[in-house]
Amino acid sequence: EPEVTQTPSHQVTQMGQEVILRCVPISNHLYFYWYRQILGQKVEFLVSFYNNEISEKSEIFDDQFSVERPDGSNFTLKIRSTKLEDSAMYFCASLGTSGSGNSYNEQFFGPGTRLTVL
Amino acid sequence: ILNVEQSPQSLHVQEGDSTNFTCSFPSSNFYALHWYRWETAKSPEALFVMTLNGDEKKKGRISATLNTKEGYSYLYIKGSQPEDSATYLCAFWDTGNQFYFGTGTSLTVIP
Repeated sequence: EPEVTQTPSHQVTQMGQEVILRCVPISNHLYFYWYRQILGQKVEFLVSFYNNEISEKSEIFDDQFSVERPDGSNFTLKIRSTKLEDSAMYFCASLGTSGSGNSYNEQFFGPGTRLTVL
Repeated sequence: ILNVEQSPQSLHVQEGDSTNFTCSFPSSNFYALHWYRWETAKSPEALFVMTLNGDEKKKGRISATLNTKEGYSYLYIKGSQPEDSATYLCAFWDTGNQFYFGTGTSLTVIP
């Protein structure tokens, strides 16, 4: 069964460093998402991406964050200058049909990348 | 900031008991409601995508209902099994293509 993959599974970085989190969505999916979950808090939407551009972003997704789909398969989240409060699990998701013909689609999540900022 | 609430926050039931929990969301700008099952150390697994008021979906012993006019959805588990132990998340998908997750209900089924 197709799945969303993410690398690395755990990233440790120093405050102020740039990190790139990588995701490989399910091929033929068209919408891609990044979420984060700070330990003990709810899952938060960061950004959605469609047709090679950002379609929606939350207040969290400020100028320190960027996303791109550099080669048609990878979907990356870059944090330019990490802060301690960026420590969280980052989940990528892609949106595709559930196979039932219903146009309201089902998200498939990756396993997440745990980012630790020291 | 849009609020999606789930209750209860946690639940312990005996094996074989049936249980249910609630997701409350805004009744405006509704596009879809998603239910996920999230086991520790795994990624959320989609259970249901619900779109129409009055929708009822079923997958094995798990079913869900949707009321978009009053802004709530119920998830039911019939005859709970230990393997049902997980966090159950709902996510409200608005017409602006944003997802808002609830806080989750943590279910523990005691053998």
